[in-house]
Amino acid sequence: DSGVTQTPKHLITATGQRVTLRCSPRSGDLSVYWYQQSLDQGLQFLIQYYNGEERAKGNILERFSAQQFPDLHSELNLSSLELGDSALYFCASGLDRGGTDTQYFGPGTRLTVL
Amino acid sequence: EDQVTQSPEALRLQEGESSSLNCSYTVSGLRGLFWYRQDPGKGPEFLFTLYSAGEEKEKERLKATLTKKESFLHITAPKPEDSATYLCAVEPNFGNEKLTFGTGTRLTIIP
Repeated sequence: DSGVTQTPKHLITATGQRVTLRCSPRSGDLSVYWYQQSLDQGLQFLIQYYNGEERAKGNILERFSAQQFPDLHSELNLSSLELGDSALYFCASGLDRGGTDTQYFGPGTRLTVL
Repeated sequence: EDQVTQSPEALRLQEGESSSLNCSYTVSGLRGLFWYRQDPGKGPEFLFTLYSAGEEKEKERLKATLTKKESFLHITAPKPEDSATYLCAVEPNFGNEKLTFGTGTRLTIIP
C-alpha cells in the first residue's frame, strides 16, 4: 500500500458526460501528479500540482482540468467524454524537496466510456 | 523530446532462470531513472531510483544498473510472484518533475 488513495475505483459513464476523479496524497507529500494509462499508449503524464499550484503540464486535453485543494487532495475533471478517454487514471504523490522526486502511485480509477 | 524504449516487450522464463530487462533512454540531461513494477489493474509500485552511470541498486532478486544510455534490471532466480510488468521512467535534469515512461516489459515466470 503506497498510502495514496483514489476514488472511485471504477466509473462507467456515457459519451458527452463529465466525471470527477479524486486523489489523496501520502501524508506529508505536497506534489500530486496525474497520469493516464491506456492499452496502446502506456503511462502518459497529464499534469502536476505542488502545494495548490500547477507546476507542470503534459499531454492533457483541454477537456480535462485538475486542481489541488488546501488540504492537498486533488481532483481531475474530465468533460465531454469520448470513447477514447476510456483508460486507467492514476494519481501519484511525492515530497518534491528539490532534486529527484520519487513518485508513489495510487491504485487508479478505471474509467469506461460507453 | 525525452524517449524511453524497453525491451523485450514480453519475456517468459522458467522459475529460477535468470535474465535481464533493458531500458534505453534519450534525455537532455538525466536527473534520475526509475524502475517500477506494475501488476495487472494496479498502480505502479516503486522499486529503484538510479542517478548516475555506474550506479547499482539491489532488492531481493532484482538488481538495477545504469549506464549513460541505458539501464538494466537483472532478475536472479525468479519466482512466479515476480511476474508483472516492469516499467522504466526518466526524469529530465531541468527542474520539471515530469516522468517519461517506457511501455514496459511484461514478465511471466512459469513454475
